[in-house]
Amino acid sequence: GAVVSQHPSWVICKSGTSVKIECRSLDFQATTMFWYRQFPKQSLMLMATSNEGSKATYEQGVEKDKFLINHASLTLSTLTVTSAHPEDSSFYICSASGGTGVDEQFFGPGTRLTVL
Amino acid sequence: GNSVTQMEGPVTLSEEAFLTINCTYTATGYPSLFWYVQYPGEGLQLLLKATKADDKGSNKGFEATYRKETTSFHLEKGSVQVSDSAVYFCALNGANNLFFGTGTRLTVIP
Repeated sequence: GAVVSQHPSWVICKSGTSVKIECRSLDFQATTMFWYRQFPKQSLMLMATSNEGSKATYEQGVEKDKFLINHASLTLSTLTVTSAHPEDSSFYICSASGGTGVDEQFFGPGTRLTVL
Repeated sequence: GNSVTQMEGPVTLSEEAFLTINCTYTATGYPSLFWYVQYPGEGLQLLLKATKADDKGSNKGFEATYRKETTSFHLEKGSVQVSDSAVYFCALNGANNLFFGTGTRLTVIP
């Protein structure tokens, strides 16, 4: 099946710094990538949807200036958490889709962000 | 609105035991329903799906039936194996997005 990787798998940073998370589709071209956030014992919440070469579409309540998403190629999307604070600590998961339909998403293993 | 409620875990079973993980949903319209599985260290994988009422999705011995009258999509397996240990997520699609439950961690012991 299609493989999606994320890097890093975990990161610890100081409050006020920025952190970049990469999401790569390894064996297919991802026209659409999705970024989710998961708090402990809670659902995955969609943060934004990005299409290659265009601006990301953010869900209501997600600060676009804080969570910068770039989808510059068909195999790479990045999420940058700017000026991170402890409340941004969470598990971030990306998924990628090369076709139509929401069930054709292939998920990365996730990135654990801890902001001190 | 759209939401999914699934039973909280963790669930611990002995090998060959029967598994049920409950999932109920609230949705506008007629969504498709999904079960995803996440094995340790890996991303979520689609386990099975059903697109309309009374459909049964099945894969790897797991089954779930789309019950419109009870708004449910319970996951079942007749005989679990140690290799089934994972986190299971129920989900539905709405407004071209996936809405997930909180996940249920299953541990199967030999």
